[in-house]
Amino acid sequence: EVQLVESGGDLVQPGGSLRLSCAASGFTFTNYGMNWVRQAPGRGLDWVSYISSSSSAIHYADSVKGRFTISRDNAKKSLYLQMNSLRADDTAVYYCARVETLAGMKHWGQGTLVTVSS
Amino acid sequence: DIQMTQSPSSLSASVGDRVTITCRASQGISSWLAWYQQKPEKAPKSLIYGASTLQSGVPSRFSGSGSGTDFTLTITSLQPEDFATYYCQQYSGYPITFGQGTRLEIK
Repeated sequence: EVQLVESGGDLVQPGGSLRLSCAASGFTFTNYGMNWVRQAPGRGLDWVSYISSSSSAIHYADSVKGRFTISRDNAKKSLYLQMNSLRADDTAVYYCARVETLAGMKHWGQGTLVTVSS
Repeated sequence: DIQMTQSPSSLSASVGDRVTITCRASQGISSWLAWYQQKPEKAPKSLIYGASTLQSGVPSRFSGSGSGTDFTLTITSLQPEDFATYYCQQYSGYPITFGQGTRLEIK
């Protein structure tokens, strides 16, 4: 069974940093690209970042470019999101999701809440 | 960036009804479109990809159609568990983008 489990969400002050993790199991992690998608309270889904299976291709939403860094450790079957210079509008539930070739995102984690507030 | 516009934003319907949600892309995306269902406090669930291919395990009352810029999600014979928020998403290229969502409520 495919499982994605996010962790690392917390309450952080504006300007602070946080590192999210996503632990993958039940599939060959090295075969799949991964996305981070977030959802602010009461709002819609907002794509954040993508990393390819070998980390050779990385993309960011303009809203996080220069502040967030996506990475992965295939040996540990883990995906990461380093978030710096956090702002109030980064407050959201952050989901990791597996990218299916030609098929969107079938598998999602349960999400981890990041709250940016003083 | 490709903008995705869903309509309506909200919809009231009854169990047994047929409903249609539309999604329009600001430029052509071929069939690189997915639909997701989300219930409160839950992660999104993938329903359809490639504009019209049902994910495994998704009931056949869900169907998708369209290509290019105009797409629809149709649910025939609504069931109580179908009341949720639905999102379209294009994956023609990065940045991938979502529609703003359609909240389907019980009438």
